[in-house]
Amino acid sequence: GENVEQHPSTLSVQEGDSAVIKCTYSDSASNYFPWYKQELGKGPQLIIDIRSNVGEKKDQRIAVTLNKTAKHFSLHITETQPEDSAVYFCAAKVWGQNFVFGPGTRLSVLP
Amino acid sequence: KAGVTQTPRYLIKTRGQQVTLSCSPISGHRSVSWYQQTPGQGLQFLFEYFSETQRNKGNFPGRFSGRQFSNSRSEMNVSTLELGDSALYLCASSFGASTSTGELFFGEGSRLTVL
Repeated sequence: GENVEQHPSTLSVQEGDSAVIKCTYSDSASNYFPWYKQELGKGPQLIIDIRSNVGEKKDQRIAVTLNKTAKHFSLHITETQPEDSAVYFCAAKVWGQNFVFGPGTRLSVLP
Repeated sequence: KAGVTQTPRYLIKTRGQQVTLSCSPISGHRSVSWYQQTPGQGLQFLFEYFSETQRNKGNFPGRFSGRQFSNSRSEMNVSTLELGDSALYLCASSFGASTSTGELFFGEGSRLTVL
């Protein structure tokens, strides 16, 4: 079945710097790749997603890139702010099957 | 529009007991999925219910079970609790079956501690 790895497990950046989180997946049939943000005491919330027919997607300060050949996708956050501090989860999905999540990355934005 | 509501938010049980967790999905959503979240393990899929039928089940023992009612509300039950069952249990709803590529909307979770 699908397996999703995520790196790094923890990431600390200075406010205003960029942060990058990378995920790799194993099943080449995966065609949907969402990213979720989980703030302390809250449930995960979708922040951006990308489908396999697209290489990059941006939404203000966040972007996701997908390399289908290498089977990896990345989350990029620019101009980080303290409110970006949270745990981020990537996921991969094959149509007709369930979401498989990565183990998460704890991002800390230092003032 | 109200979000996904999970109850109770926190509970403490002892080994051998059983527990029932409840999830009310967003109005109009017919799919409810359950996930177990533990430190370092991410979100592990338990099962999904769609229109009162279990569609998929993850790799968890039979002590973990669930059901969905006609109003789409769902419950999950864990019998004969073990220490390793301590976790945050998350419920997610979606309009269609989660096996399609619709967005999952998560509740805030039920934190279970087994002593």
